[in-house]
Amino acid sequence: SAVISQKPSRDICQRGTSLTIQCQVDSQVTMMFWYRQQPGQSLTLIATANQGSEATYESGFVIDKFPISRPNLTFSTLTVSNMSPEDSSIYLCSVERTGVGTDTQYFGPGTRLTVL
Amino acid sequence: DQQVKQNSPSLSVQEGRISILNCDYTNSMFDYFLWYKKYPAEGPTFLISISSIKDKNEDGRFTVFLNKSAKHLSLHIVPSQPGDSAVYFCAASAKLTSGSRLTFGEGTQLTVNP
Repeated sequence: SAVISQKPSRDICQRGTSLTIQCQVDSQVTMMFWYRQQPGQSLTLIATANQGSEATYESGFVIDKFPISRPNLTFSTLTVSNMSPEDSSIYLCSVERTGVGTDTQYFGPGTRLTVL
Repeated sequence: DQQVKQNSPSLSVQEGRISILNCDYTNSMFDYFLWYKKYPAEGPTFLISISSIKDKNEDGRFTVFLNKSAKHLSLHIVPSQPGDSAVYFCAASAKLTSGSRLTFGEGTQLTVNP
C-alpha cells in the first residue's frame, strides 16, 4: 500500500479566493491523481499528474481553474482557483502501486473544502 | 453518462450474514475492477480487485465476482461484521486504452446490525 497525507484536512474559504492542497507520499511514485467528491456524489477524476510533465485534465476540468504541480516523485499540489460555493467538495489525491498483475490506487485522507 | 452504476444506495444486513453489493458497467473496454470502502471523514480504502481475465477473486472475508457477459460485478462479504459498516464504491479502469484512470460508481451504504 502507500502512506499518503494531505494538507489541509479541511478549510472554509470565501468565494473568489484560492486554496492550495498538498499531497505527500511516503515513497516515490510515478503517477498521482486528483479526485473530487461533491456532496452526495461519487468520486470524479480531475487530472493525472506525472512528474516532469504537464498534468492531464479530464473533460470538464481546466488548468486555469485547477492548476497542479508535481515537482518530484513524492509530492503534488492542487490549487482550486477563484472559488465558488459549487467548489465545495472533498478533494482527494491518490497514487498507483504496480504489482504483479495488479495496479491499485491508494487514496489520501482527503481535504474537505467549504466555500462560502 | 454513468458508466459505472451501483443501483442500491443502501443495504442493511445482520451481523454474521452475507452482504452482497452489486455494480454494473456499460463500457466494454473496462478490464480492471476494484472495490473500495470509505468511512466518513476518511479517504477510500482499497479492498479487493479483479482483472477481466478472471471471474472470481477472494481475499479473506471478501470475494469479488465478475460476469463479463452481463457487465456485472459483485462483492460478497461473509461473515459481515459491524465494523464493515461504511460506503462501498466499485471502480473500473480500461488500462489498455485509457491507462489507470478510475471511474467510480455512486456508492452503497452498508449497515451491519449487531
